[in-house]
Amino acid sequence: NAGVTQTPKFRVLKTGQSMTLLCAQDMNHEYMYWYRQDPGMGLRLIHYSVGEGTTAKGEVPDGYNVSRLKKQNFLLGLESAAPSQTSVYFCASSYLSTGTNEKLFFGSGTQLSVL
Amino acid sequence: EDQVTQSPEALRLQEGESSSLNCSYTVSGLRGLFWYRQDPGKGPEFLFTLYSAGEEKEKERLKATLTKKESFLHITAPKPEDSATYLCAVQAPYFNKFYFGSGTKLNVKP
Repeated sequence: NAGVTQTPKFRVLKTGQSMTLLCAQDMNHEYMYWYRQDPGMGLRLIHYSVGEGTTAKGEVPDGYNVSRLKKQNFLLGLESAAPSQTSVYFCASSYLSTGTNEKLFFGSGTQLSVL
Repeated sequence: EDQVTQSPEALRLQEGESSSLNCSYTVSGLRGLFWYRQDPGKGPEFLFTLYSAGEEKEKERLKATLTKKESFLHITAPKPEDSATYLCAVQAPYFNKFYFGSGTKLNVKP
């Protein structure tokens, strides 16, 4: 069981370039999330999905787009990268809400630098 | 506004020196409070979930407690391998929405 796998682990972009981060989970989770982690600010939700074919905005969605064409995959896209998007990006997944089993399973992160 | 504040930002302990980390929160209708451990270069890893005031959970040298306004993560006789950043997150009642604190970076010296 790999859990949640993110690719790539590191990436350097120039301002204006685009890229896609891939997240894959093998736990048959319904919910998937993209967070960014910046020093002193905690994890902030970018976008999330409650099931295949669905996406929704989180706290900081501007400049990002997502897609969930397959249940196990959640893609995060940056159309035109900006230095403010330099961050560590984490994908997470969780079971459908049951009231007692809602913990998040995280990937190992992607360190993105935008020059 | 829903908020989570963790203190201290950083904590240095000698091996065996017990202490507590604090997580205070303001959220309407708390659904659950979560503690995660994050090692450098890795994603957060789940430790505990607490659902109601007065609840306690334990795992090895860690014990988490919950009141109506805050949670504590007590570390008893810590070891160097307990060094990590500890994150607190609260779950709002609507959807699986989690608010994370900025974490406490714990360093345990041998």
